Amino acid sequence: AQSVSQHNHHVILSEAASLELGCNYSYGGTVNLFWYVQYPGQHLQLLLKYFSGDPLVKGIKGFEAEFIKSKFSFNLRKPSVQWSDTAEYFCAVTATSGTYKYIFGTGTRLKVLA
Amino acid sequence: GAVVSQHPSRVICKSGTSVKIECRSLDFQATTMFWYRQFPKQSLMLMATSNEGSKATYEQGVEKDKFLINHASLTLSTLTVTSAHPEDSSFYICSARARNRAQETQYFGPGTRLLVL
Repeated sequence: AQSVSQHNHHVILSEAASLELGCNYSYGGTVNLFWYVQYPGQHLQLLLKYFSGDPLVKGIKGFEAEFIKSKFSFNLRKPSVQWSDTAEYFCAVTATSGTYKYIFGTGTRLKVLA
Repeated sequence: GAVVSQHPSRVICKSGTSVKIECRSLDFQATTMFWYRQFPKQSLMLMATSNEGSKATYEQGVEKDKFLINHASLTLSTLTVTSAHPEDSSFYICSARARNRAQETQYFGPGTRLLVL
């Protein structure tokens, strides 16, 4: 079955700490991978995406993610978090053709303490 | 660019009534729109995919007679929750794929919180 797992449901960090959020997927075939962020009271926004090429992708606001095909992983990282990064983060996967339906992970709620 | 709006943002209704939620792409034409449901502390679950001018494709387990989807134009899709019951209370989110943009990327609306009393 196709699925996306985010093992960290809640993460609390102090400002300037480094962040890594795990994302593993189970999907037959080649995939496109996404990280979305949902700030409190706002809609989902795209942080970054991987389609092909360099497995290390850089997104907005200093976020990056690395696609490791052998581990079926697409972990999100940020070297130094800020209070404004407090949000919920969702990993998602789609096929590389067809309807491009998203399968989302359960989300990770990040709280950054000032 | 690529802004998606939803209306209303919140709605409270009585059990047994129907509720219509609109999803609009404001600055682009949406070839495909998606409807998701998000339960508290859970992920977004895809309910259905709709293409302009054709019938929606529902995911397994989603009652198409309960959740009516209409995608009459390239900028508007509606979700009608018919004969709503308290268990239909949830956060409903739409997204859209843009014509002439990467088909893999979806743009999300802000969501509609439905509370059925």
